[in-house]
Amino acid sequence: SQKIEQNSEALNIQEGKTATLTCNYTNYSPAYLQWYRQDPGRGPVFLLLIRENEKEKRKERLKVTFDTTLKQSLFHITASQPADSATYLCALYYKLSFGAGTTVTVRA
Amino acid sequence: NAGVTQTPKFQVLKTGQSMTLQCAQDMNHNSMYWYRQDPGMGLRLIYYSASEGTTDKGEVPDGYNVSRLKKQNFLLGLESAAPSQTSVYFCASSPISGGVLEQFFGPGTRLTVL
Repeated sequence: SQKIEQNSEALNIQEGKTATLTCNYTNYSPAYLQWYRQDPGRGPVFLLLIRENEKEKRKERLKVTFDTTLKQSLFHITASQPADSATYLCALYYKLSFGAGTTVTVRA
Repeated sequence: NAGVTQTPKFQVLKTGQSMTLQCAQDMNHNSMYWYRQDPGMGLRLIYYSASEGTTDKGEVPDGYNVSRLKKQNFLLGLESAAPSQTSVYFCASSPISGGVLEQFFGPGTRLTVL
């Protein structure tokens, strides 16, 4: 069955630094991969989608890469701000699988 | 637009009781989904519906049933609640049938089964 692993449960960084989150998957190679943000007590909110033929996608201070050979996606938050503190989830289309998420805390 | 709404927001049940979680979307989306979220396990798909009148099992369907009689509504039923069904339940919708792009999530229903 498909397995998704996000590199760590928690990531603490200083404001202004870049946060890098990892999403690794096994077995099935998805046509695309998504990243969501979830704040406490709320539902996930879609951030970015990257297709298998795209190496990199950007949206404002967010950057996502997708390496189908390594079966890995990297999610970067550049010039991080305390408002970026949240849990970030990666998701694969196949069987609509979600990772457990990485909680990012940005210290002022 | 309200987006995706869920009722109730909180619910406490006793073991063996039944209930229905309601989900509505006003975006005219074809696909709708029910997930549960447990600590450390991420979101797991319970059931999904690619279009009105059709439903399919997801990863963890046992103990649940669903109904999609109207395009805008997707109901999740617990036939005989068990403590293992204590979780946060999220409903989502997506404009695409047979494929997923962006999913829009509701605020969740926090269910406790005693």
